[in-house]
Amino acid sequence: DIQMTQSPSSLSASVGDRVTITCRASQSIGSSLNWFQQKPGKAPKLLIYGASSLQSGVPSRFSGSGSGTDFTLTISSLQPEDFASYCCQQIYSTPPTFGQGTKVEIK
Amino acid sequence: EVQLLESGGGLVHPGGSLRLSCAASGFTFSRYAMSWVRQAPGKGLEWVSTISGSGVTPYYADSVKGRFIISRDNSKNTLYVRMSSLKAEDTAVYYCAKSADSGNYFDFDYWGQGTLVTVSS
Repeated sequence: DIQMTQSPSSLSASVGDRVTITCRASQSIGSSLNWFQQKPGKAPKLLIYGASSLQSGVPSRFSGSGSGTDFTLTISSLQPEDFASYCCQQIYSTPPTFGQGTKVEIK
Repeated sequence: EVQLLESGGGLVHPGGSLRLSCAASGFTFSRYAMSWVRQAPGKGLEWVSTISGSGVTPYYADSVKGRFIISRDNSKNTLYVRMSSLKAEDTAVYYCAKSADSGNYFDFDYWGQGTLVTVSS
């Protein structure tokens, strides 16, 4: 199975900050990577697919980059509604696997 | 608007069984593969099972193979998973997820809010 390692596991940031979360795959997965946002008690929400494509309806302050084994999710200017957990998922091979998540908290 | 609503979670004893349901609306259900993904308390997401749009082809994680059975009723727009021989480590919130238009069954674009399954004596 492909292992997905996210860093950091948590971070504290302020409204307006630029936030970067990284995800590393244990082997090359091309661009077969998605990013999700999770809030307690809510359905996970797809933010980025194909490593860098913005899902319809997602604010443009979210962006994704990378290919191969190293990927990044960036929030250009953190908003109050962005305090949540974020996780990556590889869909390159079966079984699909997820990172352990990054919790973004208010500083 | 795509909506996925899970139900059927609850407390079950080790070795017991439970059936979860996911009622879908807002899209042509039979056109899309559907999946179950779970999240144990304090842990990351774990893929559990996927079924093709026709319902003919199921896929299972090794951790549930032989114990869980995924199925769907396209006439009712509903996804199911029958869970048997439940273990404490099956305790989790179970989400259903819809596959995206990409054709990759594991490319999930919409998720439900989840239903909690607790396996405990």
